[in-house]
Amino acid sequence: DIQMTQSPSSLSASVGDRVTITCRASQTITTYLNWYQQKPGKAPKVLIYAASNLQNGVPSRFSGSGSGTDFTLTISSLQPEDFAAYYCQQSYSPPFTFGPGTKVDIK
Amino acid sequence: QVQLQESGPGLVKPSQTLSLTCTVSGDSISSTGHYWSWIRQNPGKGLEWIGYIYYSGDTYYNPSLKSRIAMSIDASKNQFSLSLTSVNAADTAVYYCARMILPRYFDYWGQGTLVTVSS
Repeated sequence: DIQMTQSPSSLSASVGDRVTITCRASQTITTYLNWYQQKPGKAPKVLIYAASNLQNGVPSRFSGSGSGTDFTLTISSLQPEDFAAYYCQQSYSPPFTFGPGTKVDIK
Repeated sequence: QVQLQESGPGLVKPSQTLSLTCTVSGDSISSTGHYWSWIRQNPGKGLEWIGYIYYSGDTYYNPSLKSRIAMSIDASKNQFSLSLTSVNAADTAVYYCARMILPRYFDYWGQGTLVTVSS
């Protein structure tokens, strides 16, 4: 199985901050990397697919980059509704695996 | 608007079978390029992909669960189902159904249903 890691596991930030979350795969996954946001008690919601493609309806302050094994999710200006957990997920090779998550909370 | 809704018992006894159904609205379960998945989440192991079924009946199961899983599809009801046998406490989780589309990402999810394994 392809193992996914994320860093940091949690971070505290203020509204307006630029936030970057990193995801690393245990082997190359080209650009088969997706990012999800999850709020408490809710299902995950896709933000970015195929490493850098913004899902319809997702604000443009979210962006993704990377290829191979290293990827980043950036929130250019953190908004109150962005405090949540973020997960990366590889879809290069089944079983599809998720990272352990990064929790973003209010400083 | 595509919607998915899980249904099934919230409590299952150890060694018994967990059975869940996902009802899809706003999309045909027979649509090409749509893969119907189950994903679970428990506090100890995070998000775990269980497997998917295609409208043709083709399946792909997570090898870690493969010996205990069966998925099926009922196109007449626009539903797909999950069966997980010989459950134990480690199977306690929120179970989500989700649609996967190309290039292989989960774009629609059900709200999730908590299944507790306990006697």
